Amino acid sequence: DARVTQTPRDKVTEMGQEVTMRCQPILGHNTVFWYRQTMKQGLELLAYFRNRAPLDDSGMPKDRFSAEMPDATLATLKIQPSEPRDSAVYFCASGLTGLRSDTQYFGPGTRLTVL
Amino acid sequence: KQEVTQIPAALSVPEGENLVLNCSFTDSAIYNLQWFRQDPGKGLTSLLLIQSSQREQTSGRLNASLDKSSGRSTLYIAASQPGDSATYLCAVRLSNRQFYFGTGTSLTVIP
Repeated sequence: DARVTQTPRDKVTEMGQEVTMRCQPILGHNTVFWYRQTMKQGLELLAYFRNRAPLDDSGMPKDRFSAEMPDATLATLKIQPSEPRDSAVYFCASGLTGLRSDTQYFGPGTRLTVL
Repeated sequence: KQEVTQIPAALSVPEGENLVLNCSFTDSAIYNLQWFRQDPGKGLTSLLLIQSSQREQTSGRLNASLDKSSGRSTLYIAASQPGDSATYLCAVRLSNRQFYFGTGTSLTVIP
């Protein structure tokens, strides 16, 4: 049963610290998405990769956030320095996007709390 | 910017009832629309995806329709069950690859 995995599941840190979240997409998927979910804003797309290349990161605060795919089995989302307003659940999703397919498979999320 | 609205925000129905969830969007130039469910503390699970050229999709007791011209989609759930209790979100993809999610409808099916 192929699944998207995310680590850590929970992270509590202090303001100013660096946070790195990791995602392992489903093997064979060619797209990876990073989302942030808060009660206030709902679900927001932060970054979108296809074949490891960033296609869209317009939803991501550029000054402190960075997203990378070092290889096809790992995607990372880094926040440096973290701020209390970054507290949210961060979801990674992967998919096999082609002309007629856009189904995304979500991971369980990383709950980030910045004190 | 695309705005996606879901009404109602919360819905409670007795088991066995048929129900309709609504999703509206402001920009009709969409590429596709997806319906997801989210269980508490979990990620999203894709239920149905409708391409812009399609009018509806069906999976089991679920039927999703799309009317691009009016900027609306509905998710119909037949013979609801307590296991259907979850938050249902619709997501619109624009041709420029941007995805926009609604804030969801929280559904409770009472046994």
